Order: sequence, then C-alpha cells, then structure tokens
Amino acid sequence: SQTIHQWPATLVQPVGSPLSLECTVEGTSNPNLYWYRQAAGRGLQLLFYSVGIGQISSEVPQNLSASRPQDRQFILSSKKLLLSDSGFYLCAWSAGTAHEQYFGPGTRLTVT
Amino acid sequence: AQSVAQPEDQVNVAEGNPLTVKCTYSVSGNPYLFWYVQYPNRGLQFLLKYITGDNLVKGSYGFEAEFNKSQTSFHLKKPSALVSDSALYFCAVRGFTTSGTYKYIFGTGTRLKVLA
Repeated sequence: SQTIHQWPATLVQPVGSPLSLECTVEGTSNPNLYWYRQAAGRGLQLLFYSVGIGQISSEVPQNLSASRPQDRQFILSSKKLLLSDSGFYLCAWSAGTAHEQYFGPGTRLTVT
Repeated sequence: AQSVAQPEDQVNVAEGNPLTVKCTYSVSGNPYLFWYVQYPNRGLQFLLKYITGDNLVKGSYGFEAEFNKSQTSFHLKKPSALVSDSALYFCAVRGFTTSGTYKYIFGTGTRLKVLA
C-alpha cells in the first residue's frame, strides 16, 4: 500500500531563516506531487506541483521554491522566511489527474 | 472561470439525523469532483469522487454524494450522522493550471458539527 510522509510535524523558525520541508511517498512510482498551504485551518492554496523528476510548476509567485530530486521525494524550501509564510503545509500525491489525492499529515510552520 | 463554492461555513446536525454539505462548481468540460474530510491538525482524507457514470456515488464511512449537472452541484450526504463525523469537509474539482495542465481546485471548507 502507498504511504506519504512529511517532516517535521511542527517547526518554529525566526524571520529571515531558511526552510526545508520534506515529503516522501512509498509504494507507488511516478506520482504527481503537490505542495499546499492552508491558512487559518481553512482553504487550501496550491503552491507547487510536479509531474516528474526535476519538473516543477508554481501556481503562485512567492518566497518559496520546490524541488524534486528523486521520483518520490518533494522538497519545499525558502532562503529567508517571512512572517506571512506561517501556516499548515500539506504535501499530496496522486496517481494521475483523474485520480484522488492522498495527503500527508502536514507541517505546522510558525515564523516568529 | 473555474471555482468551487461551499456556501455554508458551518452545518449543525443532531446525531442520527441526515446531513447534507453543499458544493457547487464551475469548470469547463466534464467535471471530475471530489470530497475530502479533515480532522484537526491532520491532512485531508479522500472520501469519494465522481468521474463518470451513476450520478450517486458512494464513499467511505457511509457518505455519498449526488452529482447534478444542470445545477452544477455535488452535495455530500449521509443518512444518519454520527458525532465522530464532526470535522472539516472540502469539495474539490479538477481544473487547469496556467500552463494548461490539470490541477485540483478546493472549496473553502464546511465545518460539520454533529450534536449528541
């Protein structure tokens, strides 16, 4: 069966510090991968999606970047965090575009 | 324009009563529709989807949803609510990115509260 992991679960970082959040998927090959941010426990904002290694698309210009160094690894990064980067970050995968997404447990990021 | 609307911020229902969580969508072409549930401080869990076929789809935990093309709706239903169904529910539709590939568009969520 497929499993998706995210870490860390919680993170408190000062403004201006770097960020690296990691997501890995097990039990499937060539998944579509996604990073979302959820603010105030509500709507989901798509940040990045990837259909293959090294293929990253961004939906919203921002202070963040993403990379996919391996087929089942997706990394969200920032060189300098802003207060507005605080939120709940969710990684998800899908087997294709007609298929449902499966979400990781999320990372709660607080920028102080 | 492609969008998903969940008009109710919160729905309260008594345990044992039927529940409905509303969703309407706007997207070109045949819609691919999804419902997810989120418990506090957790990721979203897939409940059910409509791709094609029967307008009434059944999913996990006794939930079902009815696709209505003329009303562009995909309401989530359950015949008898449980207190454990209390959570945040998201409707989603497959849409398109600026580069023409597919993406998922989520509603703002409806908080369901089932009262004992």
